[in-house]
Amino acid sequence: GQQLNQSPQSMFIQEGEDVSMNCTSSSIFNTWLWYKQDPGEGPVLLIALYKAGELTSNGRLTAQFGITRKDSFLNISASIPSDVGIYFCAGQTDSGGGADGLTFGKGTHLIIQP
Amino acid sequence: DAGITQSPRHKVTETGTPVTLRCHQTENHRYMYWYRQDPGHGLRLIHYSYGVKDTDKGEVSDGYSVSRSKTEDFLLTLESATSSQTSVYFCAISQRETDTQYFGPGTRLTVL
Repeated sequence: GQQLNQSPQSMFIQEGEDVSMNCTSSSIFNTWLWYKQDPGEGPVLLIALYKAGELTSNGRLTAQFGITRKDSFLNISASIPSDVGIYFCAGQTDSGGGADGLTFGKGTHLIIQP
Repeated sequence: DAGITQSPRHKVTETGTPVTLRCHQTENHRYMYWYRQDPGHGLRLIHYSYGVKDTDKGEVSDGYSVSRSKTEDFLLTLESATSSQTSVYFCAISQRETDTQYFGPGTRLTVL
């Protein structure tokens, strides 16, 4: 199946710093999604990207859909304690089969030191 | 939040016993999915459903079966649980196949 390489695996930062993480793939995706997961909860959608080159913001979060359709990045500006969690990228195809529809990265664990 | 609930939220069982996890939605979405989440693997698709009584296999379907007799409920069954099925299981829903998926709160299953 398709694979996404998400990096970094974990980040230890100071409160107030900016954060950047990315996902790359050997396959083309038609949609890129970024989710955040808090401990003991399910992933929650942060940003969805539908067009190559698209740059979308949601508050302090900014994400971009790479021109090649094989990568995406997520930036968080001025991090705060509630940003702690695991961030997942996911790529979606329009293959017509649900089994191939959504592929997840392995996550970036964000830890913020006060 | 999307109206998705999962039950039970936690379960401990013994190897060889049958286990059924339930996903319930109030959004009337057509598509429902079961994923498992394990350290180092992220989220992997087990089975999905594209309508009542319509299901198909995902990436890691061996040892699991599913059923969907009503739009709102999607059941995941482990016929004979094994320790390798210890995991956190998430249900997700979407309106259409290519729509964004929304996740439930998860079920933590431990097989001893």
